[in-house]
Amino acid sequence: KQEVTQIPAALSVPEGENLVLNCSFTDSAIYNLQWFRQDPGKGLTSLLLIQSSQREQTSGRLNASLDKSSGRSTLYIAASQPGDSATYLCAVWSGNNRLAFGKGNQVVVIP
Amino acid sequence: EAQVTQNPRYLITVTGKKLTVTCSQNMNHEYMSWYRQDPGLGLRQIYYSMNVEVTDKGDVPEGYKVSRKEKRNFPLILESPSPNQTSLYFCASTTLMRGYSEAFFGQGTRLTVV
Repeated sequence: KQEVTQIPAALSVPEGENLVLNCSFTDSAIYNLQWFRQDPGKGLTSLLLIQSSQREQTSGRLNASLDKSSGRSTLYIAASQPGDSATYLCAVWSGNNRLAFGKGNQVVVIP
Repeated sequence: EAQVTQNPRYLITVTGKKLTVTCSQNMNHEYMSWYRQDPGLGLRQIYYSMNVEVTDKGDVPEGYKVSRKEKRNFPLILESPSPNQTSLYFCASTTLMRGYSEAFFGQGTRLTVV
């Protein structure tokens, strides 16, 4: 069974610092990996999708890398802003027809 | 606009009173699924469907039923809700045309069972 871990569970950074969020998964046989953002009590907003054949994806200030062999992905958010405060979720599709989620990185950006 | 629509967004009900949460997608996706989200436990899959009339259990199926009679709809049925089913529920869909692609999520249904 695929297990997804996100460390740290929570972090606070001053505005302007770069954010680095880590995701690890136990089964490297994945189809793709997707990063989401969730505001408290709200739905999931897709940020980036990385296919298993890709090493990274970029969208604006966001960059996500994927190292499938070591079972790791990292989400970088450059020059963080208070509006980036949210929970960030990592999810992977693997061979059992399921999207497995980590428990998230809860981020607070301090003005 | 591509979207997954859940209804209702909020629901308070009493123990034992049957309820249905609807989910509809307009992207002609083959795969649909239901998740529940609880503090400290994250998102857990309840049921999923690979296509019309094809459904299977996820990690926490007890107390839930689903059906997939049409490609666009995937309702979640709680035949006898209990307080431990109080949770935030999400429906999701994706296409299987090139393996698994981007998953799209509904806005969520907050269910309270008293």
